[in-house]
Amino acid sequence: EAGVAQSPRYKIIEKRQSVAFWCNPISGHATLYWYQQILGQGPKLLIQFQNNGVVDDSQLPKDRFSAERLKGVDSTLKIQPAKLEDSAVYLCASSLTGTNFNEQFFGPGTRLTVL
Amino acid sequence: AQSVAQPEDQVNVAEGNPLTVKCTYSVSGNPYLFWYVQYPNRGLQFLLKYITGDNLVKGSYGFEAEFNKSQTSFHLKKPSALVSDSALYFCAVSPLTGGFKTIFGAGTRLFVKA
Repeated sequence: EAGVAQSPRYKIIEKRQSVAFWCNPISGHATLYWYQQILGQGPKLLIQFQNNGVVDDSQLPKDRFSAERLKGVDSTLKIQPAKLEDSAVYLCASSLTGTNFNEQFFGPGTRLTVL
Repeated sequence: AQSVAQPEDQVNVAEGNPLTVKCTYSVSGNPYLFWYVQYPNRGLQFLLKYITGDNLVKGSYGFEAEFNKSQTSFHLKKPSALVSDSALYFCAVSPLTGGFKTIFGAGTRLFVKA
């Protein structure tokens, strides 16, 4: 079974530039998550999709971050404009359903450095 | 506020010895509890979870975890550590219904010395 795919694996940009990350979840998984993991901290949920609808985006900085999941499959997370404090690893995860007892399957992450 | 605490940044143990990685939580109600592991240059992997029933749950790679409701803890354990167990371990909680979403602890780095 193929895992969660993410690209790119690494990205270096200057502040005020824009960047986009892509995620393809495990086939058949209805729920998709984007997390931000700052060095030395645990992952923090940014947004959760159930199929192509947003379930929770309460911690997404909506003035600069946006995400979409067209057709309920793959997803894109965008930052525009980036700030220094956005330097982090961005993790995508998926689960079979959005039920809270389901474990999540994580991709390898995208390491973003903002200079 | 809902929170998950992993009080040790790092745990060092000799190969063959038992290991414990601690996790306590402060959330409303009784949550679902998870442990994930992150190996270098790899994504987080699910280890085990507690939903209901027996307080001792078994997971992948010989790991187990003990749920203690009165102490609101969910410590990860293994009877005999391997060098290959060296990794970053995260405790996570999810609510039974609605409310907050999954919250992760800050992680504990485990070093197993040969």
